[in-house]
Amino acid sequence: EAGVAQSPRYKIIEKRQSVAFWCNPISGHATLYWYQQILGQGPKLLIQFQNNGVVDDSQLPKDRFSAERLKGVDSTLKIQPAKLEDSAVYLCASSLPGSINEQFFGPGTRLTVL
Amino acid sequence: RKEVEQDPGPFNVPEGATVAFNCTYSNSASQSFFWYRQDCRKEPKLLMSVYSSGNEDGRFTAQLNRASQYISLLIRDSKLSDSATYLCVVHNYGGSQGNLIFGKGTKLSVKP
Repeated sequence: EAGVAQSPRYKIIEKRQSVAFWCNPISGHATLYWYQQILGQGPKLLIQFQNNGVVDDSQLPKDRFSAERLKGVDSTLKIQPAKLEDSAVYLCASSLPGSINEQFFGPGTRLTVL
Repeated sequence: RKEVEQDPGPFNVPEGATVAFNCTYSNSASQSFFWYRQDCRKEPKLLMSVYSSGNEDGRFTAQLNRASQYISLLIRDSKLSDSATYLCVVHNYGGSQGNLIFGKGTKLSVKP
């Protein structure tokens, strides 16, 4: 079974630039999550989708971050404009409906903002 | 106080050692508890759930004390392949499904 796919794997940008990340969850997983993991910290939830609807975006910095999952399958996370403190690994995860307990994570996108 | 707090680590142990990780959580309404494992520069993966009665999976034993809001993970007979960061995770219900709160993780390094 294919896992969660993410791209790009690495991205280096300068502050104030824009960047977008893509995620394709495991087939059949209606719930999709974006996490931010800063070095030395645990993953922090940014946004959770159920199909194409947002379930929780309370920790998403909406002045600069946006995410969408238009067709209820793959998703994009965008940062515009980026700040130095956005340097982190952005992890996408998916789970079956009602199975929040076991989330399957993608390999992540490592973002460096210079 | 952070929602999920773990031993700072790192833990450096020889092969064959027994090592224990502790974790406390602040939300008494938390419902479910887990340990995830994260290898260096890799994604987190579910290691095991934690139940009030305690549960064991091979060399790994997890315990939960709801009264003390305390979770533990015991690894017996450590292997080199156990070297990783162990994340304590709490599920807080709310909204549609609630969300997972991850601790900072405790790094384990098993040496030959």
